[in-house]
Amino acid sequence: EIVLTQSPDFQSVAPKERVTITCRASQSIGSSLHWYQQKPDQSPRLLIKYGTQTMSGVPSRFSGSGSGTDFTLTINGLEAEDVAVYYCHQSSSLDTFGGGTKVEIK
Amino acid sequence: QVQLVESGGGLVKPGGSLRLSCAASGFTFSDYYMSWIRQAPGKGLEWISYISGNTFYTEYADSVKGRFTISRDNAENSVDLQMSSLRAEDTAVYYCAVTSGAFVSWGQGTLVTVSS
Repeated sequence: EIVLTQSPDFQSVAPKERVTITCRASQSIGSSLHWYQQKPDQSPRLLIKYGTQTMSGVPSRFSGSGSGTDFTLTINGLEAEDVAVYYCHQSSSLDTFGGGTKVEIK
Repeated sequence: QVQLVESGGGLVKPGGSLRLSCAASGFTFSDYYMSWIRQAPGKGLEWISYISGNTFYTEYADSVKGRFTISRDNAENSVDLQMSSLRAEDTAVYYCAVTSGAFVSWGQGTLVTVSS
Protein backbone atom coordinates (compact mmCIF):
# COMPACT_ATOMS: atom_id res chain seq x y z
CA GLU A 1 0.00 0.00 0.00
CA ILE A 2 1.23 3.47 -0.87
CA VAL A 3 1.22 5.68 2.20
CA LEU A 4 0.67 9.41 1.81
CA THR A 5 2.03 11.61 4.58
CA GLN A 6 0.59 15.09 4.74
CA SER A 7 2.09 17.95 6.70
CA PRO A 8 1.28 19.86 8.70
CA ASP A 9 -1.78 18.36 10.37
CA PHE A 10 -3.03 21.82 11.24
CA GLN A 11 -2.25 25.30 10.00
CA SER A 12 -3.52 28.62 11.32
CA VAL A 13 -2.84 31.41 8.86
CA ALA A 14 -3.72 35.09 8.72
CA PRO A 15 -5.98 36.29 5.89
CA LYS A 16 -4.12 36.95 2.62
CA GLU A 17 -1.13 34.95 3.76
CA ARG A 18 0.18 31.92 1.86
CA VAL A 19 -0.70 28.37 2.84
CA THR A 20 1.57 25.50 1.87
CA ILE A 21 0.59 21.87 2.41
CA THR A 22 2.88 19.01 1.50
CA CYS A 23 2.11 15.41 0.65
CA ARG A 24 4.84 12.79 0.49
CA ALA A 25 4.28 9.35 -1.03
CA SER A 26 6.04 6.25 0.27
CA GLN A 27 7.05 5.39 -3.30
CA SER A 28 7.00 7.15 -6.64
CA ILE A 29 3.52 7.77 -8.01
CA GLY A 30 4.43 9.85 -11.04
CA SER A 31 1.81 12.59 -11.27
CA SER A 32 -1.13 10.52 -9.96
CA LEU A 33 -1.75 12.83 -7.02
CA HIS A 34 -4.95 14.80 -6.47
CA TRP A 35 -6.06 17.40 -3.92
CA TYR A 36 -9.48 17.85 -2.32
CA GLN A 37 -11.08 20.46 -0.11
CA GLN A 38 -13.68 19.47 2.48
CA LYS A 39 -15.51 22.27 4.22
CA PRO A 40 -17.40 21.57 7.45
CA ASP A 41 -20.47 19.39 6.89
CA GLN A 42 -19.84 19.16 3.15
CA SER A 43 -18.66 16.47 0.77
CA PRO A 44 -15.10 16.72 -0.51
CA ARG A 45 -14.48 18.73 -3.67
CA LEU A 46 -11.73 18.04 -6.20
CA LEU A 47 -9.43 21.05 -6.48
CA ILE A 48 -6.41 19.81 -8.43
CA LYS A 49 -5.85 16.61 -10.36
CA TYR A 50 -2.63 14.98 -11.52
CA GLY A 51 -0.46 17.20 -9.40
CA THR A 52 -0.92 20.48 -11.23
CA GLN A 53 -4.24 20.61 -13.12
CA THR A 54 -6.62 23.02 -11.41
CA MET A 55 -10.28 22.13 -11.86
CA SER A 56 -12.72 24.46 -13.53
CA GLY A 57 -14.28 26.89 -11.09
CA VAL A 58 -11.48 26.63 -8.55
CA PRO A 59 -10.07 30.06 -7.65
CA SER A 60 -6.70 30.88 -9.17
CA ARG A 61 -5.13 31.25 -5.73
CA PHE A 62 -5.03 27.43 -5.52
CA SER A 63 -2.13 25.70 -7.24
CA GLY A 64 -0.38 22.36 -7.11
CA SER A 65 3.13 21.23 -7.86
CA GLY A 66 5.33 18.18 -7.64
CA SER A 67 5.84 14.72 -9.08
CA GLY A 68 7.31 11.42 -8.02
CA THR A 69 7.06 11.38 -4.24
CA ASP A 70 6.78 15.03 -3.18
CA PHE A 71 3.80 17.26 -3.86
CA THR A 72 2.60 20.65 -2.67
CA LEU A 73 -0.73 22.44 -2.52
CA THR A 74 -0.42 26.20 -2.26
CA ILE A 75 -3.09 28.75 -1.46
CA ASN A 76 -1.78 32.19 -2.40
CA GLY A 77 -3.69 34.58 -0.22
CA LEU A 78 -5.93 32.73 2.21
CA GLU A 79 -9.55 33.83 2.31
CA ALA A 80 -12.16 33.06 4.96
CA GLU A 81 -13.99 30.72 2.58
CA ASP A 82 -10.88 28.53 2.35
CA VAL A 83 -11.27 27.27 5.91
CA ALA A 84 -11.44 23.52 5.39
CA VAL A 85 -9.62 20.23 5.63
CA TYR A 86 -7.43 19.46 2.62
CA TYR A 87 -6.62 15.92 1.54
CA CYS A 88 -4.23 14.47 -0.97
CA HIS A 89 -5.07 11.22 -2.79
CA GLN A 90 -3.02 8.92 -4.99
CA SER A 91 -4.49 6.84 -7.81
CA SER A 92 -1.28 5.15 -8.91
CA SER A 93 -1.96 1.89 -7.07
CA LEU A 94 -5.01 0.99 -4.98
CA ASP A 95 -6.06 4.47 -4.01
CA THR A 96 -5.11 5.96 -0.68
CA PHE A 97 -5.56 9.32 1.00
CA GLY A 98 -3.33 11.45 3.15
CA GLY A 99 -4.42 12.13 6.70
CA GLY A 100 -5.66 15.65 5.98
CA THR A 101 -4.57 19.17 6.87
CA LYS A 102 -6.95 21.44 8.72
CA VAL A 103 -6.61 25.09 7.70
CA GLU A 104 -7.99 27.83 9.91
CA ILE A 105 -7.93 31.61 9.87
CA LYS A 106 -5.69 33.20 12.49
CA GLN B 1 -24.70 18.92 -14.16
CA VAL B 2 -23.45 15.81 -12.43
CA GLN B 3 -25.64 14.59 -9.62
CA LEU B 4 -24.97 11.65 -7.33
CA VAL B 5 -27.49 10.64 -4.69
CA GLU B 6 -26.63 7.93 -2.19
CA SER B 7 -29.25 6.01 -0.23
CA GLY B 8 -29.61 2.95 1.93
CA GLY B 9 -27.71 3.98 5.03
CA GLY B 10 -28.97 3.38 8.53
CA LEU B 11 -28.43 1.55 11.79
CA VAL B 12 -27.39 -2.10 11.59
CA LYS B 13 -26.19 -4.59 14.20
CA PRO B 14 -22.68 -6.03 14.12
CA GLY B 15 -22.59 -8.98 11.76
CA GLY B 16 -25.49 -7.62 9.76
CA SER B 17 -25.80 -6.56 6.13
CA LEU B 18 -26.78 -3.42 4.29
CA ARG B 19 -27.00 -2.40 0.65
CA LEU B 20 -26.13 1.13 -0.41
CA SER B 21 -27.16 2.64 -3.73
CA CYS B 22 -25.99 5.64 -5.69
CA ALA B 23 -28.18 7.14 -8.40
CA ALA B 24 -26.24 9.09 -11.02
CA SER B 25 -27.31 11.65 -13.60
CA GLY B 26 -25.88 14.43 -15.74
CA PHE B 27 -23.12 12.47 -17.47
CA THR B 28 -22.59 9.36 -19.59
CA PHE B 29 -22.57 6.90 -16.72
CA SER B 30 -21.13 3.88 -18.52
CA ASP B 31 -18.04 5.86 -19.59
CA TYR B 32 -16.74 6.19 -16.04
CA TYR B 33 -15.38 4.15 -13.22
CA MET B 34 -17.37 4.65 -10.02
CA SER B 35 -15.99 4.45 -6.51
CA TRP B 36 -17.16 4.23 -2.93
CA ILE B 37 -15.24 6.19 -0.30
CA ARG B 38 -16.03 6.41 3.37
CA GLN B 39 -15.33 8.73 6.28
CA ALA B 40 -15.63 7.60 9.87
CA PRO B 41 -16.97 10.25 12.28
CA GLY B 42 -14.33 12.93 12.80
CA LYS B 43 -11.79 11.02 10.71
CA GLY B 44 -10.23 11.19 7.27
CA LEU B 45 -11.20 9.69 3.93
CA GLU B 46 -10.79 6.03 3.01
CA TRP B 47 -11.25 4.64 -0.50
CA ILE B 48 -12.95 1.27 -0.30
CA SER B 49 -13.89 0.10 -3.79
CA TYR B 50 -14.25 0.91 -7.48
CA ILE B 51 -15.82 -0.63 -10.54
CA SER B 52 -15.05 -0.03 -14.19
CA GLY B 53 -17.59 1.37 -16.63
CA ASN B 54 -18.09 -1.99 -18.32
CA THR B 55 -18.32 -3.77 -14.91
CA PHE B 56 -15.43 -6.07 -15.81
CA TYR B 57 -12.96 -4.69 -13.30
CA THR B 58 -13.40 -4.22 -9.57
CA GLU B 59 -11.01 -3.53 -6.72
CA TYR B 60 -11.38 -3.39 -2.97
CA ALA B 61 -9.42 -2.05 -0.04
CA ASP B 62 -8.07 -4.76 2.24
CA SER B 63 -10.31 -3.50 5.05
CA VAL B 64 -13.46 -4.59 3.18
CA LYS B 65 -12.27 -7.33 0.82
CA GLY B 66 -14.42 -10.42 1.10
CA ARG B 67 -17.18 -8.57 2.95
CA PHE B 68 -18.26 -5.84 0.52
CA THR B 69 -19.30 -6.21 -3.14
CA ILE B 70 -19.60 -3.39 -5.63
CA SER B 71 -21.88 -3.61 -8.65
CA ARG B 72 -23.46 -1.29 -11.18
CA ASP B 73 -26.41 -1.15 -13.54
CA ASN B 74 -25.59 0.99 -16.55
CA ALA B 75 -29.19 0.85 -17.76
CA GLU B 76 -30.35 2.37 -14.49
CA ASN B 77 -27.30 4.65 -13.98
CA SER B 78 -26.71 3.28 -10.52
CA VAL B 79 -23.90 1.75 -8.51
CA ASP B 80 -24.44 -0.35 -5.40
CA LEU B 81 -22.37 -1.48 -2.46
CA GLN B 82 -23.47 -4.67 -0.76
CA MET B 83 -22.00 -4.77 2.73
CA SER B 84 -22.02 -7.86 4.90
CA SER B 85 -20.41 -9.02 8.16
CA LEU B 86 -20.50 -5.41 9.28
CA ARG B 87 -18.31 -4.29 12.16
CA ALA B 88 -18.35 -1.26 14.44
CA GLU B 89 -15.36 0.11 12.54
CA ASP B 90 -17.46 0.23 9.35
CA THR B 91 -19.45 3.09 10.90
CA ALA B 92 -18.99 6.01 8.52
CA VAL B 93 -20.50 8.29 5.94
CA TYR B 94 -20.29 6.49 2.61
CA TYR B 95 -19.82 8.54 -0.55
CA CYS B 96 -20.03 7.48 -4.15
CA ALA B 97 -17.82 9.31 -6.62
CA VAL B 98 -17.31 9.58 -10.36
CA THR B 99 -13.80 8.35 -10.95
CA SER B 100 -11.35 9.35 -13.64
CA GLY B 101 -8.11 8.80 -11.81
CA ALA B 102 -9.25 11.48 -9.41
CA PHE B 103 -12.64 11.44 -7.72
CA VAL B 104 -14.12 14.19 -9.84
CA SER B 105 -17.63 14.43 -8.40
CA TRP B 106 -19.02 13.28 -5.07
CA GLY B 107 -22.44 12.61 -3.67
CA GLN B 108 -23.69 13.99 -0.37
CA GLY B 109 -23.07 10.71 1.42
CA THR B 110 -25.16 8.29 3.44
CA LEU B 111 -24.47 7.42 7.08
CA VAL B 112 -24.02 3.81 8.13
CA THR B 113 -23.96 3.10 11.85
CA VAL B 114 -22.99 -0.35 13.07
CA SER B 115 -24.02 -0.77 16.68
CA SER B 116 -25.88 -3.18 18.91
